[in-house]
Amino acid sequence: AQSVAQPEDQVNVAEGNPLTVKCTYSVSGNPYLFWYVQYPNRGLQFLLKYITGDNLVKGSYGFEAEFNKSQTSFHLKKPSALVSDSALYFCAVRDGGNAGNMLTFGGGTRLMVKP
Amino acid sequence: DAGITQSPRHKVTETGTPVTLRCHQTENHRYMYWYRQDPGHGLRLIHYSYGVKDTDKGEVSDGYSVSRSKTEDFLLTLESATSSQTSVYFCAISPGLAGANNEQFFGPGTRLTVL
Repeated sequence: AQSVAQPEDQVNVAEGNPLTVKCTYSVSGNPYLFWYVQYPNRGLQFLLKYITGDNLVKGSYGFEAEFNKSQTSFHLKKPSALVSDSALYFCAVRDGGNAGNMLTFGGGTRLMVKP
Repeated sequence: DAGITQSPRHKVTETGTPVTLRCHQTENHRYMYWYRQDPGHGLRLIHYSYGVKDTDKGEVSDGYSVSRSKTEDFLLTLESATSSQTSVYFCAISPGLAGANNEQFFGPGTRLTVL
């Protein structure tokens, strides 16, 4: 079975400070990992993904994520937060070793960036 | 939300009534998905379709049925709505099975309240 956990319901950060949103996963094969962002009253938007290759993945809006196989983590990061980054963030995983698997989403983390 | 519309966007109904939600895409993507979003649970897959008349169950399919008679339309039906089905419902599409090379694109969502 595959699963993903986002241990923090909410992350608060001051504008201009670095931010980290945590994600850990569990799969039996190779993980395909994704981050999505949801703004109020909108659907989810794709931010970035890790499939293979470089552990540091760069995505939209200045976000990046680091794949750490030993810690089974895929934390989302940004060097300098903006108030406009305030939104709901979802991590998702798919076990690449099983062709029939669907994406499994975490419970979401609300990011609040204060001016 | 490009290329994906959901209707209605908001609906209030009573317990025991049938409800049909519609997802329409203009991207000609093969795969379509229905998710529900509830606080603390992230997105959970209800049903998905991999082609016209080809559908399969997801994680939380009980009480829901789907139909896909055309590539562009995917209907979700609650035969007899219950209060536990109060949720926000998202449709998603992808050109192939969501994973390595196929991102999911999400619609704007439908907020359903069952009284």
